[in-house]
Amino acid sequence: GAVVSQHPSWVICKSGTSVKIECRSLDFQATTMFWYRQFPKQSLMLMATSNEGSKATYEQGVEKDKFLINHASLTLSTLTVTSAHPEDSSFYICSASPSATNEKLFFGSGTQLSVL
Amino acid sequence: LAKTTQPISMDSYEGQEVNITCSHNNIATNDYITWYQQFPSQGPRFIIQGYKTKVTNEVASLFIPADRKSSTLSLPRVSLSDTAVYYCLVGDTGYSGGGADGLTFGKGTHLIIQP
Repeated sequence: GAVVSQHPSWVICKSGTSVKIECRSLDFQATTMFWYRQFPKQSLMLMATSNEGSKATYEQGVEKDKFLINHASLTLSTLTVTSAHPEDSSFYICSASPSATNEKLFFGSGTQLSVL
Repeated sequence: LAKTTQPISMDSYEGQEVNITCSHNNIATNDYITWYQQFPSQGPRFIIQGYKTKVTNEVASLFIPADRKSSTLSLPRVSLSDTAVYYCLVGDTGYSGGGADGLTFGKGTHLIIQP
């Protein structure tokens, strides 16, 4: 199946710093990628839809200036958590589909962010 | 997006068949039903997808009645490694041409397999 690579798998940072998470589709091109956040023992929550060559679409309640998304190519989307604070600590997951119709999404392995 | 309802948790034993049912009363015409499996600290993994009737692959079967208001994931002869959270998702795949939605995850079913 298609492979979505996410890096780093975990990161620890100090409060106030910015952290960048990369999501790559290794063997297919993805016009659209999705970013999720998951808190312990909770379900995944869709944060934003990343569109290649255009601005991301954010879900209600997600601060676009806080979570910067860049989808500069058909194989790479990045999520930057700016001025991170302890409450931003979470498990971040990206997904993409090899199909233009996105009927089957493949997920990255996730990034555990811990803000001290 | 159609809301889904699943049991919060289920227990079974190795070698048994496990059936997890999901309700999605407000499913739309363009919506497909997809099931994912998630282990702790990992991204979800695609299991199976269907639109109607029955779909089978090497790991599971998916049963969808004619009204499509529910679906049942069937895992044959489970093992300890099948202990995970299983999510039922319903969403527009974009076949209509309008573009797909980012999938909305419900609470999922925590399946625990015992020896």
